[in-house]
Amino acid sequence: AQSVTQPDIHITVSEGASLELRCNYSYGATPYLFWYVQSPGQGLQLLLKYFSGDTLVQGIKGFEAEFKRSQSSFNLRKPSVHWSDAAEYFCAVGARGYQKVTFGTGTKLQVIP
Amino acid sequence: ETGVTQTPRHLVMGMTNKKSLKCEQHLGHNAMYWYKQSAKKPLELMFVYNFKEQTENNSVPSRFSPECPNSSHLFLHLHTLQPEDSALYLCASSQDNTGGEYNEQFFGPGTRLTVL
Repeated sequence: AQSVTQPDIHITVSEGASLELRCNYSYGATPYLFWYVQSPGQGLQLLLKYFSGDTLVQGIKGFEAEFKRSQSSFNLRKPSVHWSDAAEYFCAVGARGYQKVTFGTGTKLQVIP
Repeated sequence: ETGVTQTPRHLVMGMTNKKSLKCEQHLGHNAMYWYKQSAKKPLELMFVYNFKEQTENNSVPSRFSPECPNSSHLFLHLHTLQPEDSALYLCASSQDNTGGEYNEQFFGPGTRLTVL
């Protein structure tokens, strides 16, 4: 069965600083990988996804993520954080040919001026 | 209305009450999902419906009873809940997932449920 680990429960960054959120997954084959964002009082919104091909994936809102098979990681990055990026971020893994995804516990991002 | 809507947004109920959560999707999708989101725990898939048929029940207690009358509407009927059932309940929809490829799930804002 697949699983996801997000080792950072809470991260604080200054506005304009770079951001990297960590995600490690466990899955026997090449997985589907996702990053979702949840703003307060909102549902989850898909930021980006990796299915195959280029291991550097571009998403919405200036985010990108890199799939590293050797490290079983799919870290999310943004070069310059904006105050509106404050939210909770969830990494998820899915099995090919199967719709169900497994979510991590989330990383809450705080942005300070 | 656009996207996925959920009502009510907040619900407080006693353990002996019966209530229902409603989800409606305006995206023309054929698959709908219920998730439970508790603090400090991963998002838990509860139920999946494809073309109104239940295709997944993730060992959910019988005090939660889903209903999908059509592809646009999904309900979660609640009765004799426990305080540990307090959580954010999220509804999602996607194109049908009976094929091989993954179809993006679109989430509603959730219903914050408190069981006293």
